[in-house]
Amino acid sequence: GDSVTQMEGPVTLSEEAFLTINCTYTATGYPSLFWYVQYPGEGLQLLLKATKADDKGSNKGFEATYRKETTSFHLEKGSVQVSDSAVYFCALVIIQGAQKLVFGQGTRLTINP
Amino acid sequence: DAGVTQSPTHLIKTRGQQVTLRCSPKSGHDTVSWYQQALGQGPQFIFQYYEEEERQRGNFPDRFSGHQFPNYSSELNVNALLLGDSALYLCASSFLDRGASYEQYFGPGTRLTVT
Repeated sequence: GDSVTQMEGPVTLSEEAFLTINCTYTATGYPSLFWYVQYPGEGLQLLLKATKADDKGSNKGFEATYRKETTSFHLEKGSVQVSDSAVYFCALVIIQGAQKLVFGQGTRLTINP
Repeated sequence: DAGVTQSPTHLIKTRGQQVTLRCSPKSGHDTVSWYQQALGQGPQFIFQYYEEEERQRGNFPDRFSGHQFPNYSSELNVNALLLGDSALYLCASSFLDRGASYEQYFGPGTRLTVT
């Protein structure tokens, strides 16, 4: 069935370091792909999205490119800040009579000053 | 513009009891989905409501039921609570026919603890 696999965490980086969080997916067809972020004690916020192959989603310095050939949607940021500390979820949407999001297991990111 | 709201924020129940969680969608949205997020895991789809009907259900037992009202708000009911039902319950809203992006916007969640 459709699924999302993220790199295991936790990930700890120093401020201004380069970030990559890997995400690969298995799906029938070509789903839309998303990255959501969850700050401590809060719900999920949509960070960025891509709806078709080679689309690049971007927001707040984060980027991810929809790669059909490698079924990947890796999240990157050139220079992380302490405020980026959160849990990041990669997700795809399945459209079969309803819009169902399928999430990866999440990657906890901690940025040290 | 109010986003997705959920109530209550926290809830403590005893095994065997019943609970009702509530959700109001973002303005302009007509579809509500419910997800269960166990500690340290990604959210799992419970079901989705559109036009007051359940459109699809995830792998959850019949103890989980829901309802959508004419104003698009929704309730999630869980009967005969088990310890394993302890989780963060997230409501997400969307607009069903809005192109291919299928964005869902999440509320802050209800933290349910079953003792």
